[in-house]
Amino acid sequence: DIQMTQSPSSLSASIGDRVTITCRASQTISSYLNWYHQKPGKAPNLLIYAASSLQSGVPSRFSGSGSGTDFTLTISSLQPEDFATYYCQQSYSTPLTFGGGTKVEI
Amino acid sequence: QVQLQELGPGLVKPSQTLSLTCSVSGASVSSGTYYWSWIRQPAGKGLEWIGRIYTSGNPNYNPSLKSRVTMSLDTSKNQFSLNLTSVTAADTAVYYCAKLIRPQWYFDVWGRGTLVTVSS
Repeated sequence: DIQMTQSPSSLSASIGDRVTITCRASQTISSYLNWYHQKPGKAPNLLIYAASSLQSGVPSRFSGSGSGTDFTLTISSLQPEDFATYYCQQSYSTPLTFGGGTKVEI
Repeated sequence: QVQLQELGPGLVKPSQTLSLTCSVSGASVSSGTYYWSWIRQPAGKGLEWIGRIYTSGNPNYNPSLKSRVTMSLDTSKNQFSLNLTSVTAADTAVYYCAKLIRPQWYFDVWGRGTLVTVSS
């Protein structure tokens, strides 16, 4: 199985901050990397697919980059509704696997 | 607009079979355009992919659960199902159904999730 490691596991930030979350794969996955965020009690919501493609309806302050083994999710200006847990997911091979999550707190 | 809804019992006894159904609206499970998947999340923990199913071909399961999992499609009811046998407390989780887009294999639509507790 491909292991996905996210860092940090949690972070504190303020409204308007630029936030960066990193995801590392245990082997190369090309651009088969997707990002989600999840609010308490809710299902995950797709933000970015194929490492850098913005899902329809997702605000442009979210962006993704990277390929191979190292990937980044950036929120350019943190908004109140962005406080959530963020997960990366590799889709290079089955079993599909997720990172452990990064909790973004105030 | 595609919507998914998980249905099934919230409590299952140890050693019994967990059975859930995902009702799909806004898309046909038999169209061949999408794959359909189950994911679970124990309380306070991360996400675990269980498997995916498609109108053609065999389902694909996570090897960690493969010996206990069966997924199926019911095209007449436009839904798909999950059976997990011989459950233990470790199977207690929120179970999500989701629509899976290929070839990038991302989950673009999720159900709200249903909590299944394994307890006697």
